[in-house]
Amino acid sequence: GEDVEQSLFLSVREGDSSVINCTYTDSSSTYLYWYKQEPGAGLQLLTYIFSNMDMKQDQRLTVLLNKKDKHLSLRIADTQTGDSAIYFCAARGAGKLIFGQGTTLQVKP
Amino acid sequence: EAQVTQNPRYLITVTGKKLTVTCSQNMNHEYMSWYRQDPGLGLRQIYYSMNVEVTDKGDVPEGYKVSRKEKRNFPLILESPSPNQTSLYFCASIKAGGTDTQYFGPGTRLTVL
Repeated sequence: GEDVEQSLFLSVREGDSSVINCTYTDSSSTYLYWYKQEPGAGLQLLTYIFSNMDMKQDQRLTVLLNKKDKHLSLRIADTQTGDSAIYFCAARGAGKLIFGQGTTLQVKP
Repeated sequence: EAQVTQNPRYLITVTGKKLTVTCSQNMNHEYMSWYRQDPGLGLRQIYYSMNVEVTDKGDVPEGYKVSRKEKRNFPLILESPSPNQTSLYFCASIKAGGTDTQYFGPGTRLTVL
């Protein structure tokens, strides 16, 4: 079945760039999403990319999509302590969203 | 303010005692969905609804029921909760068409003893 995979943990220093990676299996996914979950809160849509795009930039966030390899990444420039959260990759396929396991981003001062 | 609300936010109950978690959205969205979140497993879809009186199973529907009698409400029912249903539950409302953005509720943390 459809699957979305992420590494579970990433630790960076404040001010560095963070790169969170994701792979997916459904090549027909039309949209791919990044959600952020802060402690004790629900998921908040950060950004999305349409499958015919290679890159999307939104302020400190850059999304890269390699459709051939089914690889998605989220780069956060100048990472701040407020960016500490769990980040979920999700792929739209077969009428529903498939979520990855979530990557916990730890930002050290 | 556009939002998805869930109640209760926290619940501790015992095995076998029926419970309902309510979900309501004020955005007039047709699609709604329930997920459970467990460590290392991400979010898994329990049930979803494409419109009033239209519901379907997600990936992990066993032990759950839902109903969609009105567009705004999508309650999750556990007829006989068991400890393996201890989890964090999220309701989502989906703006269909275009990006299909999902709007999530704040979550319900359920503990079944």
